[in-house]
Amino acid sequence: QKEVEQNSGPLSVPEGAIASLNCTYSDRGSQSFFWYRQYSGKSPELIMFIYSNGDKEDGRFTAQLNKASQYVSLLIRDSQPSDSATYLCAVGLNTDKLIFGTGTRLQVFP
Amino acid sequence: GAGVSQTPSNKVTEKGKYVELRCDPISGHTALYWYRQSLGQGPEFLIYFQGTGAADDSGLPNDRFFAVRPEGSVSTLKIQRTERGDSAVYLCASSPTGGGYTFGSGTRLTVV
Repeated sequence: QKEVEQNSGPLSVPEGAIASLNCTYSDRGSQSFFWYRQYSGKSPELIMFIYSNGDKEDGRFTAQLNKASQYVSLLIRDSQPSDSATYLCAVGLNTDKLIFGTGTRLQVFP
Repeated sequence: GAGVSQTPSNKVTEKGKYVELRCDPISGHTALYWYRQSLGQGPEFLIYFQGTGAADDSGLPNDRFFAVRPEGSVSTLKIQRTERGDSAVYLCASSPTGGGYTFGSGTRLTVV
């Protein structure tokens, strides 16, 4: 079992829709959870982090964490073609050493 | 500097050669991380520095890999006797206190 699992996609959504990206993790002791966006040929850039159960909103992005079920998700509202990228979930026992999933490729079509 | 700077951006080397990859973190960031990313995979942790010392080097794959950060700023990742399997993008990141890193643009290493 991989430590951090993501569906590789692609996830295709129409412009203006909500994109829902999911991630599960195996280590129950994990305390920090991050979402990174990576455009093709570029390095990952941080979108959001979440440490506590529940929802955390930042603009069009909402991160959701459920430690009991060991999953974390990212919702992107009003999806734009510029959101098309690979989204990486990263999980850590602390904030230092992170385990990344393989990423979900999101395609937003006009 | 404004961001994390990595040099060179591309490096092609022959199997068996030695390479050094350099990372210049964001000024004032005490934590520095090295990851590597193969095609279609997520970044894989290599080593983490807090200041000058390696706080966690558990991700270094073997003793051919070594990293230093002698003055608590610039770091160098050193790979001896390179193998074709070492080919990847090597990413450096820094953060002020840990977590939520800012990645550099990476060094694409190709071993031929």
